[in-house]
Amino acid sequence: QQQVKQSPQSLIVQKGGISIINCAYENTAFDYFPWYQQFPGKGPALLIAIRPDVSEKKEGRFTISFNKSAKQFSLHIMDSQPGDSATYFCAPLSGSARQLTFGSGTQLTVLP
Amino acid sequence: DAMVIQNPRYQVTQFGKPVTLSCSQTLNHNVMYWYQQKSSQAPKLLFHYYDKDFNNEADTPDNFQSRRPNTSFCFLDIRSPGLGDAAMYLCATSRTARDEKLFFGSGTQLSVL
Repeated sequence: QQQVKQSPQSLIVQKGGISIINCAYENTAFDYFPWYQQFPGKGPALLIAIRPDVSEKKEGRFTISFNKSAKQFSLHIMDSQPGDSATYFCAPLSGSARQLTFGSGTQLTVLP
Repeated sequence: DAMVIQNPRYQVTQFGKPVTLSCSQTLNHNVMYWYQQKSSQAPKLLFHYYDKDFNNEADTPDNFQSRRPNTSFCFLDIRSPGLGDAAMYLCATSRTARDEKLFFGSGTQLSVL
């Protein structure tokens, strides 16, 4: 059972553009919705996360939008920069297991 | 300053030759995790420790073992590496079992010849 579906698999954006990555989930027990950023040759690092009691969270150029009824959440990167080029994973958690359920990842390339 | 440190950065072993990967942390976190990440795939949890309490994922092969001699160190032992075990191995920590934020090391890239 694929609990988390992430799209697109890859994304190419021009510098200054908006990058949008989506994550759909099935498990209604998920209660924490993070996005991890991974650069080549490095481990993932927590970028931004949201809890289901809010619909949006913004940190600088990064915004999470959360739609509980649709069981979807998305990452928006405003004014995308070449330094944002990385792989992004959604990785929601459920209350009982407290373990990350990784999406398949999105490879973002921001062209200069 | 690195908080989760993995050594070595690259490891080459031969088919069937035991290999050990190491992880240390300066965060004094209670929970330590080992993930396997193959090329262009998401990390896959192998096992984790809540303090000294070892938790194995159901689909982790018996070929993989782990040791945590103290809070700071954790080891991944691959008893008889196969070609399919070539991957990036990531160590991660979290402060407690309830803490949602994981801190990852930079990983060890394992090659099996």
